[in-house]
Amino acid sequence: SQELEQSPQSLIVQEGKNLTINCTSSKTLYGLYWYKQKYGEGLIFLMMLQKGGEEKSHEKITAKLDEKKQQSSLHITASQPSHAGIYLCGADSSSGELTFGTGTRLTIIP
Amino acid sequence: DGGITQSPKYLFRKEGQNVTLSCEQNLNHDAMYWYRQDPGQGLRLIYYSQIVNDFQKGDIAEGYSVSREKKESFPLTVTSAQKNPTAFYLCASRLAGADTQYFGPGTRLTVL
Repeated sequence: SQELEQSPQSLIVQEGKNLTINCTSSKTLYGLYWYKQKYGEGLIFLMMLQKGGEEKSHEKITAKLDEKKQQSSLHITASQPSHAGIYLCGADSSSGELTFGTGTRLTIIP
Repeated sequence: DGGITQSPKYLFRKEGQNVTLSCEQNLNHDAMYWYRQDPGQGLRLIYYSQIVNDFQKGDIAEGYSVSREKKESFPLTVTSAQKNPTAFYLCASRLAGADTQYFGPGTRLTVL
């Protein structure tokens, strides 16, 4: 079965600084999703990547899928308090099952 | 074994019929969630419930209804008002104070 490993597990960043979260898969990724979890309110879909080398941006968040399609990174530029939360990567497998990473807790300090 | 169960795995319904998707958990989790996944769009939150007898609308609640009469159960009804109900539906639960949501195996609903 496919496994997704996220790093780091938690991250404390000063407001205004840049940061990167990584998601590594044990198998080739057919679709990689990034979510943000607002506490108690469920997941918010951020973006999806499918093609090797693909990069997408939304406001100050950029996600990339590497050429071999086994790793994705999420980069936040000039972090703000609103970026705080838990970031989760999810993936489609060739059989159509969904797998999720363990999550990265991001704390922004003033 | 503890976990979240969703049944059935595949469900077919005729257009215009209401259908209820089951979600049960024996993890003693307080919060439960329903998501919908469409191709290329990721998960979208339909409804969530943090305690028994209380629930809130998510991003795409129109055409859906839920109930939370028991802690273990959070059924989702897809009504005839939902214009495009064919999708993959995922249920999740979370222990109060914990970060991680645990997901069920999902139900693929096809409306003919």
